[in-house]
Parts: sequence; C-alpha cells; structure tokens
Amino acid sequence: GAVVSQHPSRVICKSGTSVKIECRSLDFQATTMFWYRQFPKQSLMLMATSNEGSKATYEQGVEKDKFLINHASLTLSTLTVTSAHPEDSSFYICSARDPQSRTEAFFGQGTRLTVV
Amino acid sequence: GIQVEQSPPDLILQEGANSTLRCNFSDSVNNLQWFHQNPWGQLINLFYIPSGTKQNGRLSATTVATERYSLLYISSSQTTDSGVYFCAVRSRSDKLIFGTGTRLQVFP
Repeated sequence: GAVVSQHPSRVICKSGTSVKIECRSLDFQATTMFWYRQFPKQSLMLMATSNEGSKATYEQGVEKDKFLINHASLTLSTLTVTSAHPEDSSFYICSARDPQSRTEAFFGQGTRLTVV
Repeated sequence: GIQVEQSPPDLILQEGANSTLRCNFSDSVNNLQWFHQNPWGQLINLFYIPSGTKQNGRLSATTVATERYSLLYISSSQTTDSGVYFCAVRSRSDKLIFGTGTRLQVFP
C-alpha cells in the first residue's frame, strides 16, 4: 500500500506556542489530504480536508484560525496548532489517498501533542 | 450526516477464540475500510471492502452494502490482535467517516 509519513510522532509544548505537524505522501502524489483528531478512548474525528493549491475545507466546529492547514505541494500538507492550550492536547493523524489506488485511504503514524 | 456504529464496544477474549465485529452505517457509501489501531496509535489497513467478502490469513471481512453493514471475523485470536478496530466509510461527500470502534483485548 501507499506510504504516508507524519512528523513529529510526539511533541510537548508550552501553552501559547505554536506547533507544526507535517504529513507527507512518500510514493505517490496526493491532491487531497485529511486531518483527524482523536481524544483518548474515542474515535477519529475529521477536522479538515487539505487541498493542494487551494484553501482547506474545515468541518463544523473546527476553528480555521486555530488549526492552520497548508498544502503547498502534491506530497506535503502541514497542520499548525496556533497558540496551543492544554485542551488542544490530543492525537492528530493525517490521511492521504492515492488516486491510482481506488479510493483506499492510508494514514500517517500520528502525532501525540501535549500542551503544558 | 452519515452515522457509523460498531458493536460490541468492548470485547475480551482468551487466546485461540474466534470473534465477529460488526459495523452498521446509516446511508449508502462508496467504500468501506477496516483498520486496526495498535497501542501506539498507528492505523493499520486491514481491508478495503465496499462489497463482498475478502480473507487475509486469520482475518476475513464481509460487506453487504444493500443492508448497510459489514462484519470483521477474527479467528484463532492472538495477543497481538489486541487494540481498537475501526470501520470507516466514504460518504457521498467523499469524506471518510469512522465508526465508534471496538476495543479488543486478547489474554494468553
């Protein structure tokens, strides 16, 4: 299957700082990537759809000024958590779809963010 | 929006036992995938199965799209099968929506 790499896998930051998470498709070009958030013992919730060369589409209730998404190339999307607060602590995971591979989605390793 | 419910929410098995996990969805979908989330959070693709039956080793899955459900079968379970199993469906709006998950614990 297609390979999606996410970095960093774990990050601890202070309240008020910003954190950038990278999502790369390693062996295919992804015009669309997806960002999810997962709280402990809960399911994955879609935050936003990242489109190469255009603005991201955010799900209802997700603050676009808080979670900045940039998809500047066909292999890289970034999620920046701005002015992070403890309630932003969560597991963030990205997904990309290989257009050559039907509509199957592949996921990065995830990033565990802890805001102290 | 589309609702995806999984059952049971929790499952405890002894090594060697078989199990069936169920995924119900509330609307027509374009595809369905099963994932295993390991203790480190990594999502492992198990099956891409919009319809029909597939098998991969001790695992198999069946999707009956017309009746809006899918089943994941685990035979001869092992401790390494522990984790959370998610089904996810792709809606008409092209979003992948995850189910509520089944947390499986397999004891030796």
